Amino acid sequence: DTEVTQTPKHLVMGMTNKKSLKCEQHMGHRAMYWYKQKAKKPPELMFVYSYEKLSINESVPSRFSPECPNSSLLNLHLHALQPEDSALYLCASSLPGTEISLHFGNGTRLTVT
Amino acid sequence: RKEVEQDPGPFNVPEGATVAFNCTYSNSASQSFFWYRQDCRKEPKLLMSVYSSGNEDGRFTAQLNRASQYISLLIRDSKLSDSATYLCVVNPPSGGYNKLIFGAGTRLAVHP
Repeated sequence: DTEVTQTPKHLVMGMTNKKSLKCEQHMGHRAMYWYKQKAKKPPELMFVYSYEKLSINESVPSRFSPECPNSSLLNLHLHALQPEDSALYLCASSLPGTEISLHFGNGTRLTVT
Repeated sequence: RKEVEQDPGPFNVPEGATVAFNCTYSNSASQSFFWYRQDCRKEPKLLMSVYSSGNEDGRFTAQLNRASQYISLLIRDSKLSDSATYLCVVNPPSGGYNKLIFGAGTRLAVHP
C-alpha cells in the first residue's frame, strides 16, 4: 500500500464544475508534486511545492490551481476543465535534497464530460 | 529532441531471459538518474537510482554513460512478475533538484 493517499480515486465532472483533488502524506516529506498522466504516456510534471512554497509551475493552465495548506497536504483545485484534461492525476512526495525518490499515490482518474 | 527518450518496446521475452533497456537524455548537465517501474493502471514506483559507477540490486543492474548520455537497465533471469513498463527518469539542470522528467517508458512482457 502506498503511503501517499489521494482522494477521490475516480472523479467525473462537467466543464462548468469546480472540484478539488486531495493528497496527504505523513512521511515528513517536504516536497510534494502533481503529475498528469494520459493513457500510454509518461507522467508529466505540473507543479512542485518545496517547504509549502510553489517552486515549479510547468506552464500549467490557470484552470488548474494548486494549494499546499501544510507540509502534509496538497490540493489541486479544478475549474472550467476541458475534455482533454481527462487523465490520471498523480500526487507524489519526496525528501528535499540531491537524491529525489518520489513516492506516488494511487492517483485520481479524472473524466471531464 | 525529447529530454528523455526510450525505446517503447514491447519487449517480449521468455522467463529466464536477460533483457536490456536503454535510455538517452538530451541535456549533458543532467544531475540524477533513476529507473521507475509502472504496472498497468498503477502508480510508478522507484526501482533503482543510477550511479556513475554502475550499481546492482539483485537481478537488476543499472549503468550510466555520461559521455554518450545514456542510461541502461539490465534484468537477468526474467520473472513473470517483471512484466511492467520501465520508466527512465532524469533530473535536468533547470528547475532544481525537484524537477524529474520521465521518459515514455519501455514495456516488458515476460511469458512462460
